[in-house]
Amino acid sequence: GNSVTQMEGPVTLSEEAFLTINCTYTATGYPSLFWYVQYPGEGLQLLLKATKADDKGSNKGFEATYRKETTSFHLEKGSVQVSDSAVYFCALSGMDSSYKLIFGSGTRLLVRP
Amino acid sequence: DTEVTQTPKHLVMGMTNKKSLKCEQHMGHRAMYWYKQKAKKPPELMFVYSYEKLSINESVPSRFSPECPNSSLLNLHLHALQPEDSALYLCASSPGQAVTIREQFFGPGTRLTVL
Repeated sequence: GNSVTQMEGPVTLSEEAFLTINCTYTATGYPSLFWYVQYPGEGLQLLLKATKADDKGSNKGFEATYRKETTSFHLEKGSVQVSDSAVYFCALSGMDSSYKLIFGSGTRLLVRP
Repeated sequence: DTEVTQTPKHLVMGMTNKKSLKCEQHMGHRAMYWYKQKAKKPPELMFVYSYEKLSINESVPSRFSPECPNSSLLNLHLHALQPEDSALYLCASSPGQAVTIREQFFGPGTRLTVL
């Protein structure tokens, strides 16, 4: 079945450091891939998405590229801010008609001033 | 309007109470979802409504009863809950019409505490 694996957290960085959060997936065909962010006490916000191989999703300085050959969708940001502290979820939606989102376990990011 | 709204924001209830959670979206989406999220875990899917019909029930106990009165509204009726049901309940919606449009839009959630 479909699955998503994320790197374990927490990830602790200093402000302006480079961020990478690894995400790999298992799925048949060409799933859609997403990164969601959850700030403390809030719901999930869609951060970025990619729907086909080699697509690059980007938003608010975050980027992720859909790599079919390595089944990966790693999240990157060149310079993190304290306000980026949150939990980040990688997710996929398969090609079936169920509309289900399969989430990774989440990675907590803490950015120190 | 690009929001999913949920009420109430917080809810405390006893094990014998009956309460309801409400979710609303005005984006014209035709698929709506209920999720349960425990602390430090990803959301777990509970129910999916597609075109106002229940299409997925992830073996959720009958003390949770979903309802979709119209295409914009989704309710979750709660009865005889257990303390372990305390969690953040999230509602989401998605267009539900085209295979290529898969992203879901989440509401802020209802923080439920069962005493």
